[in-house]
Amino acid sequence: ETGVTQTPRHLVMGMTNKKSLKCEQHLGHNAMYWYKQSAKKPLELMFVYNFKEQTENNSVPSRFSPECPNSSHLFLHLHTLQPEDSALYLCASSQVGQSTGELFFGEGSRLTVL
Amino acid sequence: GENVEQHPSTLSVQEGDSAVIKCTYSDSASNYFPWYKQELGKGPQLIIDIRSNVGEKKDQRIAVTLNKTAKHFSLHITETQPEDSAVYFCAAKEETSYDKVIFGPGTSLSVIP
Repeated sequence: ETGVTQTPRHLVMGMTNKKSLKCEQHLGHNAMYWYKQSAKKPLELMFVYNFKEQTENNSVPSRFSPECPNSSHLFLHLHTLQPEDSALYLCASSQVGQSTGELFFGEGSRLTVL
Repeated sequence: GENVEQHPSTLSVQEGDSAVIKCTYSDSASNYFPWYKQELGKGPQLIIDIRSNVGEKKDQRIAVTLNKTAKHFSLHITETQPEDSAVYFCAAKEETSYDKVIFGPGTSLSVIP
């Protein structure tokens, strides 16, 4: 496996379900991110983990809960979501301290909330 | 905070023609401007970037220009090919910041064979 891998690629869930999205990076980076991509909107940063420390993001509803057990793995736990949460969720990684901090994205998890 | 606008939202060009996508930013502290390309079913991928101490940068058929005074930057693709069809995102950030990349809303480019 190379780059950033995300599973599952597609997920359909009801509003009362609990599910998790998984991300793994094979690049040796020290920062990982969750972005939300909705149609016709800019990529929206949800959470950042730098050296396993989460940057607070007070604008994300508590029904989204991130977990970063180590620098290579990142999870997004989902519970009691709303239909408006349907979107493509992108995971990314970067090397903090490198000149530009290029983001390397996974292919995304397409979430549909019924 | 930073705000990045991008135009047009959709763009269709004939194969071989040029395509231009324009962005504006609001925060004068931003000094690094990457462009990402997202193909269907894939995540965005960096294709070119420019720093604020440079006015233009070229890489084969793509080029970026930056006007710091006007807070404008643009992506130029020449001799477009069908494989250039994708969504393109401009972004702005202060170079040493890792968590404050602000993306534009994207431009969907279609290259018609």
